[in-house]
Amino acid sequence: GQQVMQIPQYQHVQEGEDFTTYCNSSTTLSNIQWYKQRPGGHPVFLIQLVKSGEVKKQKRLTFQFGEAKKNSSLHITATQTTDVGTYFCAGDSGGYNKLIFGAGTRLAVHP
Amino acid sequence: GAGVSQTPSNKVTEKGKYVELRCDPISGHTALYWYRQSLGQGPEFLIYFQGTGAADDSGLPNDRFFAVRPEGSVSTLKIQRTERGDSAVYLCATRLAGVAGELFFGEGSRLTVL
Repeated sequence: GQQVMQIPQYQHVQEGEDFTTYCNSSTTLSNIQWYKQRPGGHPVFLIQLVKSGEVKKQKRLTFQFGEAKKNSSLHITATQTTDVGTYFCAGDSGGYNKLIFGAGTRLAVHP
Repeated sequence: GAGVSQTPSNKVTEKGKYVELRCDPISGHTALYWYRQSLGQGPEFLIYFQGTGAADDSGLPNDRFFAVRPEGSVSTLKIQRTERGDSAVYLCATRLAGVAGELFFGEGSRLTVL
């Protein structure tokens, strides 16, 4: 079945440093979504990417969808302590939003 | 309601007991999903409802797990003969039908099987 892999599992950075997490799917995706989960919280939607090669920005966050629609990345510029949490990518290959989540990348930011 | 509501927020039960977890979706959201999340892992897909019917139940781990949504709104996840390995946070998520898009998650029900 469809698998979504995410690396790294964990990363800690100094406040102000950049951070990137990568997501790879075993199958071609119709769309990919990114979620953030704070410690003790539930996943919260960040963005959805649909088109091959698509790049979207939200303030300090940049999201990319690969040309083959099998990989994606999230890059945070100049991390802040408020960026702490686990970032999940979730891929949909079936077209009805059956999202398969990666294991997540846990980000720790040291002030 | 304002958001997806899940009850109970915490459930502690003994091995072998029966458990029901409830999800109240956002009003008007016809698509409803159940996920299970173990510590340090991503949400694991269990089942998807479109309206009253289960459109995809391929993620249910075995026949001890069952979910219903009789009127196309509230959904109940039922677990029979609970096992210690069932301990996890069970997340419900809903979205508007018709277009792939954002999932709105509830706070989850934390199940602990002793």
